This record gives sequence, structure tokens and C-alpha cells, in this order.
Amino acid sequence: GENVEQHPSTLSVQEGDSAVIKCTYSDSASNYFPWYKQELGKRPQLIIDIRSNVGEKKDQRIAVTLNKTAKHFSLHITETQPEDSAVYFCAANASGGSYIPTFGRGTSLIVHP
Amino acid sequence: DAGVIQSPRHEVTEMGQEVTLRCKPISGHNSLFWYRQTMMRGLELLIYFNNNVPIDDSGMPEDRFSAKMPNASFSTLKIQPSEPRDSAVYFCASSWGAGRYEVQFFGPGTRLTVL
Repeated sequence: GENVEQHPSTLSVQEGDSAVIKCTYSDSASNYFPWYKQELGKRPQLIIDIRSNVGEKKDQRIAVTLNKTAKHFSLHITETQPEDSAVYFCAANASGGSYIPTFGRGTSLIVHP
Repeated sequence: DAGVIQSPRHEVTEMGQEVTLRCKPISGHNSLFWYRQTMMRGLELLIYFNNNVPIDDSGMPEDRFSAKMPNASFSTLKIQPSEPRDSAVYFCASSWGAGRYEVQFFGPGTRLTVL
């Protein structure tokens, strides 16, 4: 089955800096890669996603890049703000009948004011 | 729409007791997922239903765990008997279908503490 590795587990930045979270996946047939944000005590919520037919997608201060050859994808947050502090999860939806997402272990992002 | 609804939000019970967690998916969604989240193991998929039928229950840890979906608007996750190591946050999520690019919508979670 699919295996998703996520790094780093914790990321601490100063307000205004950029943050990058990286994920690798094992199943070359995976073709959809969502990112979820989970604020403290809240539920995970989708913030951005990318399909395998594109290499990059942007939405204001966040962007996701995908390298299918290397089987890795990354989340980029620019001009970080304290409200960006949360746990971020990457996921990969493998094919094979049921498109069940496999989640990474999560990255705890702390943005210091 | 109120989103995915879970109850109870918090549950404290003693070891050996039966625990039942409930979930109401978003109306019209036909895929439902139960997850368990702990610091040690992250977000683990326990079971996945499509059109009320269990499709993948390979994540259910052992026979003490069981899940049902009697209709499109209700699912339960039962633990009997409960153990302290079952303490975790349990999330229910639903999606429109079982397609390639489905987005999952999570409920608020049930924080379970087994003493």
C-alpha cells in the first residue's frame, strides 16, 4: 500500500518568514495530494490540493509543488503569520479501486510573533 | 449544512466499559471514514464505508472495535471492552463519493479518555 513520509515533524519560524513542509510517497500510481490544516483542538480542514497533472498550484500565501519523478510534494507558506500556527498533514490518494488517502504524520508549525 | 456531526464531543469512561461514538455525515455524501488520532501514531484510518457498506476495515485494531452504518445518515464506532490505550481523539469524515479527487470533510472529533 501507499506510504507517506512527512518532514519536519516540528517547524518553528519567525513571523514573516517562509515555511516549507515536505512529503514523499511510495505508490507511483498516486495522483491526488491534499493538504490539511489542523488548529489546536479543532478538526483537520483542507487548505490546498494538487493533482498529478500539474506541477504547482498557488492560493494567496500558500503553494504546493509536486515532483512525480521523485515522488515528493511540498507545501510552501510565505509571509507566515501567527494564525498559521497549526499541524499540517499531507496525504496521497492512491489508485487501485478505492481512493483512500494515506496521511503523513503531520508537521507542527509554530510562528513566533 | 451543519457539516459532519459527532457525538459525544468528550467521553470519559473506565476500563472495561462499552463506548459508542456516533457520526452523522454531510447530507448527500456517500463515503464515510473513521480515524483515530494520537500523538504516537498520528492520524490512522480505522474503517471506510461507501454507500453504507464497509469497504476497508484493515485499520480496525482488534475485535474489540466494531463499526456500523445502518443508513446513509448515521454511523457508530463501538469499543467493547475499552482499554486505557484506546484513549485518543476519534474523527469521523465524509466525502461526496469514492472518486479519485474526493475531499474529506472532518467532524469535530470525540476525545475519548479511558481510565
